Amino acid sequence: GAVVSQHPSRVICKSGTSVKIECRSLDFQATTMFWYRQFPKQSLMLMATSNEGSKATYEQGVEKDKFLINHASLTLSTLTVTSAHPEDSSFYICSAGGLAGGYYEQYFGPGTRLTVT
Amino acid sequence: GIQVEQSPPDLILQEGANSTLRCNFSDSVNNLQWFHQNPWGQLINLFYIPSGTKQNGRLSATTVATERYSLLYISSSQTTDSGVYFCAAGSGNTGKLIFGQGTTLQVKP
Repeated sequence: GAVVSQHPSRVICKSGTSVKIECRSLDFQATTMFWYRQFPKQSLMLMATSNEGSKATYEQGVEKDKFLINHASLTLSTLTVTSAHPEDSSFYICSAGGLAGGYYEQYFGPGTRLTVT
Repeated sequence: GIQVEQSPPDLILQEGANSTLRCNFSDSVNNLQWFHQNPWGQLINLFYIPSGTKQNGRLSATTVATERYSLLYISSSQTTDSGVYFCAAGSGNTGKLIFGQGTTLQVKP
């Protein structure tokens, strides 16, 4: 399967600062990347869909000015959490997807655990 | 949008036992994937199975698209099978996946 990396794997920041998370597809060109957040013992909630070279599409209830997404190339998408607050502490997971063998499949990064103090 | 429900929410097995996890979805789909989330949070792709049956070692999956459900079978379970199993479904051409709430599996030695 395809390999997706995320950096950093863990970050602690102070309230009011911004944090950038990188998501890279290492061995394939992803036409679309997705960002999810997961709270403890809960499922993954889709935050936004990111297509290379175009603006991200945010899910209902996700603040686009707070969670800035950039998809500059077919292998890199970034999520910036601006003016972070303790309630933004969560596990953020990206996935990369594309057509392979005639069908569309998503592959997930290892996640980034964000703690805002 | 699509709703995805998984059952059971929790499952405890003795090593060597077999199990069946179920995923119901509310609408027709063109994408259905099963994942295993390990204790470190990594989601591992198990199956891409919008219809039909697939097998990979001790795991197999069947999706009956017309009846809107999918089943994941784990045979001869091992302690390393422990973790959360997610089913996710999607439709249309956006590639978006909606996740179920997961089944937490604990395999005891």
